[in-house]
Amino acid sequence: DIQMTQSPSTLSASVGDRVTITCRASQNVGYWLAWYQQKPGKAPKLLIYKTSSLQSGVPSRFSGRGSGTEFTLTINSLQPDDIATYYCQQYNSYSWTFGQGTKVEIK
Amino acid sequence: QITLKESGPTLVKPSQTLTLTCTFSGFSLSTSGVAVAWIRQPPGQALEWLALIYWDDDKRYSPSLESRLIITKDSSKNQVVLTMTNMDPVDTGTYFCAHSVRRLLDFWGQGALVTVSS
Repeated sequence: DIQMTQSPSTLSASVGDRVTITCRASQNVGYWLAWYQQKPGKAPKLLIYKTSSLQSGVPSRFSGRGSGTEFTLTINSLQPDDIATYYCQQYNSYSWTFGQGTKVEIK
Repeated sequence: QITLKESGPTLVKPSQTLTLTCTFSGFSLSTSGVAVAWIRQPPGQALEWLALIYWDDDKRYSPSLESRLIITKDSSKNQVVLTMTNMDPVDTGTYFCAHSVRRLLDFWGQGALVTVSS
């Protein structure tokens, strides 16, 4: 399996801050990387696919970049509604694998 | 509007077989390119992809769990069933099903909590 490693595990920031989450793959996954947002007690929500494509309805303050083995998710101007855990996921090859998650908190 | 809902037992005993059903609406699993996946999440832990079934009955499984999993579909009933054998307390968690096109998990069910305990 391809291992996905996210950093940091927890992130504390103020409303309006720009925050960045990093995801590293143990093998080259090309551009086949997605990001999900999960709020407590809810199902994950697809935010970004193919590294940088924004899913319909997702605010433009979310953006993604990267390729190969290193990827980032950036939230420009953090909002209270963005409090959640974020997961990266590779879908380059089966089995699909997720990172361990990054919990974003408001300082 | 695509919706999915998981159903099944909330409590199973160790060594028993778990059968979960995903009932969906708003799409057809007979349509080319469409798939349904199962993903689980132990309490307070990360997501783990389990299995996937395509419109053409192609199936994919997590290598670490493949020997314990069977995924099937009934397109006429709009259902996908996941069977997991030899359940263990470490299998406790929330089990999600999700709609997939182009390998994206774009619509998810609310999840079903399964506890494995004697």
